[in-house]
Amino acid sequence: DVKVTQSSRYLVKRTGEKVFLECVQDMDHENMFWYRQDPGLGLRLIYFSYDVKMKEKGDIPEGYSVSREKKERFSLILESASTNQTSMYLCASSDGVSPLHFGNGTRLTVT
Amino acid sequence: GDSVTQMEGPVTLSEEAFLTINCTYTATGYPSLFWYVQYPGEGLQLLLKATKADDKGSNKGFEATYRKETTSFHLEKGSVQVSDSAVYFCALRHSGNTPLVFGKGTRLSVIA
Repeated sequence: DVKVTQSSRYLVKRTGEKVFLECVQDMDHENMFWYRQDPGLGLRLIYFSYDVKMKEKGDIPEGYSVSREKKERFSLILESASTNQTSMYLCASSDGVSPLHFGNGTRLTVT
Repeated sequence: GDSVTQMEGPVTLSEEAFLTINCTYTATGYPSLFWYVQYPGEGLQLLLKATKADDKGSNKGFEATYRKETTSFHLEKGSVQVSDSAVYFCALRHSGNTPLVFGKGTRLSVIA
């Protein structure tokens, strides 16, 4: 079974902090994705990556960046956290054939 | 661009009731369609999928049929259980390497 692991389930950060959300998958998938989930808005795509060192902007990339130095790891970076980035963050991976496999999510609170 | 519209929740049903969650999409060509489920405190899990018109996806008693003529992929279950309480997301994807486009989700609560 594919396992997508997000390093933290809950995270509390202060406004202005630099925040790193880590995601690791163990199935050698090329494609990895970061979504945020908010009530009434569903899932919105922040960034995705098709390969190491490659990244593509999703629908709401502002205020975020990503890093993919190794195939199995895809990091989401909040350069200067703001309260409107309080949300549930979901990482997912895929080999391009199978459906997306999701991690359990990181609930980030910015105070 | 592509979009998915699903019925707003929350939906509250009694155990053994019939469930329908409507989902329609706007997309060019022939996307693949998916239903994902999110149980409390967990990430999303694939529930079922269909990759071409008239395909029926099924799993755990849930079914959905890909209707090209009505651009719909409604989720149904004949008899819901308390354990089906979750948030259900309809989604589409054009090819394996493109991101999923999700609907806003429908929260289902089943009461005993």
